[in-house]
Order: sequence, then structure tokens, then C-alpha cells
Amino acid sequence: ELKVEQNPLFLSMQEGKNYTIYCNYSTTSDRLYWYRQDPGKSLESLFVLLSNGAVKQEGRLMASLDTKARLSTLHITAAVHDLSATYFCAVVRLSNFGNEKLTFGTGTRLTIIP
Amino acid sequence: KAGVTQTPRYLIKTRGQQVTLSCSPISGHRSVSWYQQTPGQGLQFLFEYFSETQRNKGNFPGRFSGRQFSNSRSEMNVSTLELGDSALYLCASSSKGGGLNYNEQFFGPGTRLTVL
Repeated sequence: ELKVEQNPLFLSMQEGKNYTIYCNYSTTSDRLYWYRQDPGKSLESLFVLLSNGAVKQEGRLMASLDTKARLSTLHITAAVHDLSATYFCAVVRLSNFGNEKLTFGTGTRLTIIP
Repeated sequence: KAGVTQTPRYLIKTRGQQVTLSCSPISGHRSVSWYQQTPGQGLQFLFEYFSETQRNKGNFPGRFSGRQFSNSRSEMNVSTLELGDSALYLCASSSKGGGLNYNEQFFGPGTRLTVL
């Protein structure tokens, strides 16, 4: 059974600081997503990582994937308040039909303190 | 292009009742997946439909069921509601049901179900 662990669960950081969220998974995966969720809202896709060594960057966020280590990271650079949200990684296994089944991590609740 | 829509957005039911939630995918999308989000269990996959056929199913009891119509709209039904069924139910659609090319899932706003 695929298990996805995310850490930390909670993260308070000051504006301007850097930090990394980690996503470990237990079996081989076909691809990995990172999502953002604001309170009471749905999931917003941030990145999809398709292969080993993939790196994606958007603004102050950068995601990477190491399939050999079964590890993905979401790095936050010079945090600003509007990055406060809960971040989820989701690991994909393809079914026999080739369609996606997402297994989500526990989420990291990020709070940026002015 | 309109996004994924879910109705209703909020719902209050009592134990033992049943409920039906609806999801309309993005136009042209044929795959619809359902997820349950609770504070205790997090985000869990319920099932996935493509071309009116259930292709994947998560580890949920038979009280949870779904279907997809020919226009790709999907419904999920929960019978004999329990307190633990209180959750945010998210629907996601993607353009294809399979193949090696990845097809990103786009999530709807969710239906928040409260069981009293």
C-alpha cells in the first residue's frame, strides 16, 4: 500500500526566510503533484513533476523530485504573507487503464508571520 | 472555460439519511474522480469514472457509491449517513481517462457535508 508522509505538519516562519517541505513516499510512483489549499477552499495545482530530477519553479516556490530516494521537496524562498496556506503533495499511481489515482500527503499548514 | 462545478456547496443531514452530490466536469473532460477530506483522515480517494464506467475505487464501505452520465457529469451517493461522513467532498476532472500522457486533475470547490 502506498503511503505518503509529509513534514513538517505545521510550519510558522517569518517573512523573508527560506524553508523546505518534504514529501516521502513508500513505493514507486508515476508522477507527483503539489497543491495549495486556502481555508475553506478547494485545491489549487502548483506543480506536476513527471520524472526523476524534475525541478519546477514558480515565483518563490520551487519543487523537485528524486524518484530513487522517493522524495519530493517544496522550497519556499523569501516567504511572504500571501503564501500562508496548507500545502499537499500527491503521489500518482496509474491504474491498469492508465488513469490516475492520487494518494495525498498529510498536508503542511504554513503560516507566514510578518 | 468554466471550471469544475459542484452542487450543492453546503449540506446538512442527519444520521441515517442519504445524500447525493453532483459534479459537472470541465467541458470536454471525460474522467471524474471523487475525494473525501476530513481533519482526521486527510484527503482520501473515493472513486474514479471514465465513460460512465468506474475505473478505480478507494477503500470506502459500500454505502459510498457513484455514477457517471453520458455527458460526463457525475454523482456520488452516501446512504445511511454516519457522523464520520462529515467532510469536504471534492470532485476533480481530467481530459482523458488513461494513457501515458499525464492529464492533470482540476478540482472543484467541494461540497461541505455536515451530518448531525
